Amino acid sequence: KAGVTQTPRYLIKTRGQQVTLSCSPISGHRSVSWYQQTPGQGLQFLFEYFSETQRNKGNFPGRFSGRQFSNSRSEMNVSTLELGDSALYLCASRVQEVNEQYFGPGTRLTVT
Amino acid sequence: GQQVMQIPQYQHVQEGEDFTTYCNSSTTLSNIQWYKQRPGGHPVFLIQLVKSGEVKKQKRLTFQFGEAKKNSSLHITATQTTDVGTYFCVMNSGGYQKVTFGTGTKLQVIP
Repeated sequence: KAGVTQTPRYLIKTRGQQVTLSCSPISGHRSVSWYQQTPGQGLQFLFEYFSETQRNKGNFPGRFSGRQFSNSRSEMNVSTLELGDSALYLCASRVQEVNEQYFGPGTRLTVT
Repeated sequence: GQQVMQIPQYQHVQEGEDFTTYCNSSTTLSNIQWYKQRPGGHPVFLIQLVKSGEVKKQKRLTFQFGEAKKNSSLHITATQTTDVGTYFCVMNSGGYQKVTFGTGTKLQVIP
């Protein structure tokens, strides 16, 4: 099976802009989670989607949002970008009944 | 909220030495997972522990879940350069998998 794919892999944006990141899970995985990884804060959970519904949300401001499509692909959006949003954004998919997550390679976002 | 502390934050060892990282939770856990992230890579699942006092082994790696299910450890025997990376413990809470990653332990192996 193909692994989790994320696009784009690298992105440079300016403060105030918005950005949309995409994640395609492993075939058959209906749960998709998003994480932000920074040197200072580590790996932080953003949200999880299952069957197009957000099931859990981490402690991030409303500027961070996401959605999931009927084919389980997911997107996350960050509006009004801030310098502190520069990070590696990781997507992970799993089978709902199992905790083991499969991570994609991530999208490296730089906000200038 | 739940916090998952890992110690040490960094560890440098000579190749062949042993290494241990510890994960401590402020609350009782239902289960715990361990992941490894190589430099420049993404986290990769290693194992899940569920039972109190559970010990699992994967070759040179030994994972243990505390009796009170509030702590866990990962021990690597005779480290190799391929063990380099950051090791995270991960816990889930709630019915819908709110996930908390530990702070991570970054392992550097000196050849």
